[in-house]
Amino acid sequence: DQQVKQNSPSLSVQEGRISILNCDYTNSMFDYFLWYKKYPAEGPTFLISISSIKDKNEDGRFTVFLNKSAKHLSLHIVPSQPGDSAVYFCAARGNRDDKIIFGKGTRLHILP
Amino acid sequence: NAGVMQNPRHLVRRRGQEARLRCSPMKGHSHVYWYRQLPEEGLKFMVYLQKENIIDESGMPKERFSAEFPKEGPSILRIQQVVRGDSAAYFCASSPSGTAGETQYFGPGTRLLVL
Repeated sequence: DQQVKQNSPSLSVQEGRISILNCDYTNSMFDYFLWYKKYPAEGPTFLISISSIKDKNEDGRFTVFLNKSAKHLSLHIVPSQPGDSAVYFCAARGNRDDKIIFGKGTRLHILP
Repeated sequence: NAGVMQNPRHLVRRRGQEARLRCSPMKGHSHVYWYRQLPEEGLKFMVYLQKENIIDESGMPKERFSAEFPKEGPSILRIQQVVRGDSAAYFCASSPSGTAGETQYFGPGTRLLVL
């Protein structure tokens, strides 16, 4: 039973344009949502997070939006750069939870 | 400030052998988490440890898998009598105090291949 779903296995975006990665979740007890970026043969790198009491968090080119009623969050990257090509994992955890629940990831290709 | 270190980076074992994966957390971190990533899947939580204590092992297979984090030295994930289905990337993460919302920092992973 997948509690965190990333329905797009891959996404291609032109360099300089906006990349939008989507994520849905089923567990309303999740309190924190995170995005991790992963290059081949490396571990995931923390990118940005958002608490369930907020609907937006911004850090430089990265913005995460949370829609609790729809149980949906998205990561916006603008402008997209070649170095953004990677696999992006959406993840979530509960307030009392130590484990992070990951989606299957979306592979982002930034096209020149 | 070195990040989370894992070794070996690649490990090849034949069916029935034992695999030992090591993880040294970031300096100052006393909480360690192990995750497994099967091909084309996301990372799945296995176990959460503090020094000398297993806090949450709800994601650990019931047999053949064990983990420890001794007072001195790295955390060890041990897989006995490996089978082909154990082939995966095993990632370790660490955090300073394990509090809710705290970021977990991941190591580069150990890629286990069982022949």
